[in-house]
Amino acid sequence: QSVLTQPASVSGSPGQSITISCTGTSSDVGGYDYVAWYQQHPGEAPRLIIYNVDYRPSGVSPRFSGSKSGNTASLTIFRLQAADDADYYCSSYTNRRTHVFGSGTKVIVL
Amino acid sequence: QITLKESGPTLVAPTQTLTLTCTFSGFSLNSREVGVGWIRQPPGEALEWLALIYGDDDKRHSPSLENSLTITKDIYRNRVVLTLMNMDPVDTGTYYCAYKMRDSSGYEYWGQGHLVTVSS
Repeated sequence: QSVLTQPASVSGSPGQSITISCTGTSSDVGGYDYVAWYQQHPGEAPRLIIYNVDYRPSGVSPRFSGSKSGNTASLTIFRLQAADDADYYCSSYTNRRTHVFGSGTKVIVL
Repeated sequence: QITLKESGPTLVAPTQTLTLTCTFSGFSLNSREVGVGWIRQPPGEALEWLALIYGDDDKRHSPSLENSLTITKDIYRNRVVLTLMNMDPVDTGTYYCAYKMRDSSGYEYWGQGHLVTVSS
């Protein structure tokens, strides 16, 4: 199974909003509402910030929002903060009853 | 409070078998609704999903590693064991175990990660 495609990097200034895309196929992203997003700071384990396309776990800021259209899922970060400077990964359930991660996006807060 | 911790060798020789243990607390892996998965990350690279086991012994494996990877659980000792055969230097990386619910697409709790280096 192929890795989901994400942009290598996205940048924005504090207070701005940015969107990260995650493109798969009808066998994964497009076929199921089972997309998740993770935030990872250097040297740390990933942290779940979105699950089931657009649900936030308890304690995650509402500045993080997920959506999906066709084979592409998106993560939007509103009112960008310095602490949002990190790597972000999407993942999806697949038609082989497995999971697949995205290629990862480095968010740079200018 | 749910916690998970990975353990095992930090150095493995090429062609050898890697056995990693995930010891967890705060939940029991005896329900079909609860699962523990393994994810790895080569240095400086992206996450890669490896395997998942649910409490009803429903097991899933990465298609690219299906012939070399085994996942098992020990509910009495609250452990999940990952075995990866025929290790190669490309298998070097940090290995994470993580908890998920069946109806959720996300791994909500993660271990700290365990760095494994494959080298002679």
